[in-house]
Amino acid sequence: GENVEQHPSTLSVQEGDSAVIKCTYSDSASNYFPWYKQELGKRPQLIIDIRSNVGEKKDQRIAVTLNKTAKHFSLHITETQPEDSAVYFCAATVSGSARQLTFGSGTQLTVLP
Amino acid sequence: DAGVIQSPRHEVTEMGQEVTLRCKPISGHNSLFWYRQTMMRGLELLIYFNNNVPIDDSGMPEDRFSAKMPNASFSTLKIQPSEPRDSAVYFCASSFQRGIDTQYFGPGTRLTVL
Repeated sequence: GENVEQHPSTLSVQEGDSAVIKCTYSDSASNYFPWYKQELGKRPQLIIDIRSNVGEKKDQRIAVTLNKTAKHFSLHITETQPEDSAVYFCAATVSGSARQLTFGSGTQLTVLP
Repeated sequence: DAGVIQSPRHEVTEMGQEVTLRCKPISGHNSLFWYRQTMMRGLELLIYFNNNVPIDDSGMPEDRFSAKMPNASFSTLKIQPSEPRDSAVYFCASSFQRGIDTQYFGPGTRLTVL
């Protein structure tokens, strides 16, 4: 089955700096890669996703890149703000296969004011 | 749309008692997932249903856990008997699995077993 590894487990950045979180996956058939943000005491919420037919996707300060050859994908947050502080999870699955999402172990991002 | 609805939001019970968690998926979604989240083990998939049929229950910890989905708009996760190590936040999520796959999470049920 799929195995997703996520690094780093914790990340502290100064407000205004960029943050990068990386994930690798094992199943070459995976083609859908969402990222979730979970604030303390709240539910995981989708912030961005990417499918294997594109290499990069951006949404304002958030971007995700995908390298299918190397089987890794990354979340990039630019101009970080204190409200970006949360746990971020990556995930992978084979779209439309009725397989479940396989989640990474999460990254605790802290943005220091 | 109200999103995924879970009840109760908090449950405190004593060891040995039966606990039932409830979930109403987003209308039109055909897949439903139950997760457990703890500090030690992170986010674990317990079971998921596709078109009301259980597809994979390999994440269910043991026979004390059971889940049902009697119709497209309701699912339950039951723990009987409950143990202190079952204390966690239980999330339900739903998705429309026809090439979209985005899972939307409910607010979770925080379970404390004393």
